[in-house]
Amino acid sequence: AQSVSQHNHHVILSEAASLELGCNYSYGGTVNLFWYVQYPGQHLQLLLKYFSGDPLVKGIKGFEAEFIKSKFSFNLRKPSVQWSDTAEYFCAVNAASNTGKLIFGQGTTLQVKP
Amino acid sequence: NAGVTQTPKFRILKIGQSMTLQCTQDMNHNYMYWYRQDPGMGLKLIYYSVGAGITDKGEVPNGYNVSRSTTEDFPLRLELAAPSQTSVYFCASNSGIYNEQFFGPGTRLTVL
Repeated sequence: AQSVSQHNHHVILSEAASLELGCNYSYGGTVNLFWYVQYPGQHLQLLLKYFSGDPLVKGIKGFEAEFIKSKFSFNLRKPSVQWSDTAEYFCAVNAASNTGKLIFGQGTTLQVKP
Repeated sequence: NAGVTQTPKFRILKIGQSMTLQCTQDMNHNYMYWYRQDPGMGLKLIYYSVGAGITDKGEVPNGYNVSRSTTEDFPLRLELAAPSQTSVYFCASNSGIYNEQFFGPGTRLTVL
C-alpha cells in the first residue's frame, strides 16, 4: 500500500534558523507531490507542488522542496524561518491515479521561537 | 468565490445520534473529498467523488456515508455516532486529478 512518512513530528527552531522537514513516500510509479501548511486555527493551504520538470520547486513564503526520485523523497526547506511560520506541515502524494486522491503524511508541527 | 465551505464549525453529539456534515464548493470542481484529521495521524480519506452521482470509499469509510447529487454539494453522513468518530473533518475539492486540492475550514466533531 502507498504510504507517506514524515520523519519529524515536532520541530522547535529559533527565528532565522534554517529548516528542513523530511518526507518519504512508498510508491514505485509516477507521483505528484505536495506540501500543505495549516496555520493555527486555519484550514490547509498549498505551499508548493511537484508534477514534473525541475526537481527543485519553489513555493510561497520562501519555501522550496527538492524531489529526489532515487530516494523517494520530497524534503521541504526554508533558509531562515520566521515566527509566523509556526504551523503544522503536511506532505502528500497523489499516485497519478484517475481519482486525484491524496495520501498524507502524519504531519510535522513546527514551533518557531521569537 | 467563497471556495469550499463547511457547516457546522463545531458539533457535539451523543453516542448513537446521527448528523450530516455539509460541504459546498462554488468553483465548479468535479472532484471532491472528505478527510478526517486526528492528532499525529495526518489526514485520512473517508470518501471521495469524481463527479455528480459518483462516489467511492477511501481509506476509512466505516461509519460514514456520502451522496453527490449536484456538482456543488458533497454531504457526509454519520448514522450512529461513536466516540471513535471524534475528529476534525475536512472537505476538499479540485478541478483535475493533477491539481491542488482546496480545503474547507473544517468541522470539529466530538462524540460523547
